[in-house]
Amino acid sequence: DTGVSQNPRHKITKRGQNVTFRCDPISEHNRLYWYRQTLGQGPEFLTYFQNEAQLEKSRLLSDRFSAERPKGSFSTLEIQRTEQGDSAMYLCASSADRVLAKNIQYFGAGTRLSVL
Amino acid sequence: EDQVTQSPEALRLQEGESSSLNCSYTVSGLRGLFWYRQDPGKGPEFLFTLYSAGEEKEKERLKATLTKKESFLHITAPKPEDSATYLCAVQAGAGNNRKLIWGLGTSLAVNP
Repeated sequence: DTGVSQNPRHKITKRGQNVTFRCDPISEHNRLYWYRQTLGQGPEFLTYFQNEAQLEKSRLLSDRFSAERPKGSFSTLEIQRTEQGDSAMYLCASSADRVLAKNIQYFGAGTRLSVL
Repeated sequence: EDQVTQSPEALRLQEGESSSLNCSYTVSGLRGLFWYRQDPGKGPEFLFTLYSAGEEKEKERLKATLTKKESFLHITAPKPEDSATYLCAVQAGAGNNRKLIWGLGTSLAVNP
């Protein structure tokens, strides 16, 4: 499968615990995005990487959230001291920085986080 | 502020009953408008991208059109397997970030 892969698919945690999600983008895609989606809403932008550089972070992203893409390939999103309001689907998308790629973002299946 | 509005919020159709979904947008410097389909518990699946007013794209029973203010997703003779949430998103503004700004989606149910 050469699509965007996210792990785990589901995560249940207790309030106050730390969680980490992983995203493996489509190979050769140099752009990687994280979004958050709650029920009945469209996805909301969280952060964006071009290669290993994190170029933009949403104001939605509190200092409890951190994302990395150390070698410009896979990315991790960590949430520290989770709160019930963090419960959501976390989506990762990747795209290629080529004209013919048309800026199309391809999404993974998401990681559903439930904070108890 | 950039904004995307989709209507209706929900739509129920009988199999074979054609209809249209609307996506209106107010953005500064549209770079592209995207339609995605999302099934429950899954990530959005890319359908179409449109870049300029007057552009149209087709795929099976779906056809997307774009004007300067809105886009329509026409569904011709839908089948139950077309049931899903249809999301519209735009890329706008200058700079390197190609983040998508999303509408809330239209939840489509097609009854056999």
